[in-house]
Amino acid sequence: AQTVTQSQPEMSVQEAETVTLSCTYDTSESNYYLFWYKQPPSRQMILVIRQEAYKQQNATENRFSVNFQKAAKSFSLKISDSQLGDTAMYFCAFMIRNNNAGNMLTFGGGTRLMVKP
Amino acid sequence: KAGVTQTPRYLIKTRGQQVTLSCSPISGHRSVSWYQQTPGQGLQFLFEYFSETQRNKGNFPGRFSGRQFSNSRSEMNVSTLELGDSALYLCASSLTLLAGGGNEQFFGPGTRLTVL
Repeated sequence: AQTVTQSQPEMSVQEAETVTLSCTYDTSESNYYLFWYKQPPSRQMILVIRQEAYKQQNATENRFSVNFQKAAKSFSLKISDSQLGDTAMYFCAFMIRNNNAGNMLTFGGGTRLMVKP
Repeated sequence: KAGVTQTPRYLIKTRGQQVTLSCSPISGHRSVSWYQQTPGQGLQFLFEYFSETQRNKGNFPGRFSGRQFSNSRSEMNVSTLELGDSALYLCASSLTLLAGGGNEQFFGPGTRLTVL
């Protein structure tokens, strides 16, 4: 079984600054995907960024980037130039890469990020 | 293209009753997954349906069941409700599984179930 741990229940950052959210995971699988999902207050959860474990290059999406350390089983999210709209719960999630594994996500407990003006 | 829709958005039931929640995926998406979100347990996977077949099931009691119709719409049912079933139930759809998976999940707004 896989487990995902987010050790920071809450964080805050000043607008325009940079913040890093931590995530560690445990798995015996060698091929998998990692995701960061964002759940704004009272709004739908959306995908922020995706990392394929077999790719060494860290994924980036505009102001969002990850630091993927496969050996350490660490997957942190860096948000640059934080904006008020980044205020949300952020969930780290894991999915096995396997034709038969389907689309089951294992989530961490979440980090509540508050961006302050 | 319309997003994932869930009905009803809010529901209040009493212990012992049963409830059915509905999810309409994004057009063309054949995979539908259900998740339970609570403050104490976080987000937990319930089950996934693909082409009307349950492909994965989480660690939930048999009171939780689901099905998928030929148009990919999905329902989940909870029988003999307990207080602990109060939660936000999220539905997510994704495109047909490609080789290796990793498909993005598109989430609906959820159904907030309160059990009294």
